[in-house]
Amino acid sequence: LAKTTQPISMDSYEGQEVNITCSHNNIATNDYITWYQQFPSQGPRFIIQGYKTKVTNEVASLFIPADRKSSTLSLPRVSLSDTAVYYCLVAINDYKLSFGAGTTVTVRA
Amino acid sequence: NAGVMQNPRHLVRRRGQEARLRCSPMKGHSHVYWYRQLPEEGLKFMVYLQKENIIDESGMPKERFSAEFPKEGPSILRIQQVVRGDSAAYFCASSDPGTGSSYEQYFGPGTRLTVT
Repeated sequence: LAKTTQPISMDSYEGQEVNITCSHNNIATNDYITWYQQFPSQGPRFIIQGYKTKVTNEVASLFIPADRKSSTLSLPRVSLSDTAVYYCLVAINDYKLSFGAGTTVTVRA
Repeated sequence: NAGVMQNPRHLVRRRGQEARLRCSPMKGHSHVYWYRQLPEEGLKFMVYLQKENIIDESGMPKERFSAEFPKEGPSILRIQQVVRGDSAAYFCASSDPGTGSSYEQYFGPGTRLTVT
């Protein structure tokens, strides 16, 4: 599985856009990029998944440059309830999800 | 449409006792996964099961740990003769084989095991 690197923590304020960048220099041709969100005392929740360019859903956008060695999760206009740990995962269409330490995003009023 | 259910949510066991963790997947999901999360760490894959079959148990310790997913009833993760190092949050996830992908897994709320 490709190793991922993401910031340990990020702080933001309500209404701002939060961008979390994940590096995955060793990503393989068949690997997808997937992001999960985990609130305290809860299981992770799938947010978004992409292979290249840009993917958008009702929760977030995922930007993937042409070389695919990094990706950026964008959370528009965050609220206090977006405070959570965000995980970047890189794997082929596989079941063995590998979670690193993630990025703890703290949203303040 | 109930999500993945796990029980108990909290479990306290003394060293040497057995721990049984239960997981009911989402309706229509026949693939179940177990993960363990140690304090301040990310989730680690333990085992992948389909009905009555263990597909991959490469992440599960060879001794004391076992998992099953019977034809009827929930999936069970069993830890025999628990030790303090087994204290962790254990998460179950399920996926829908009909989607053709397993990276989108639905997680339960977890069982927090404390070994005293």
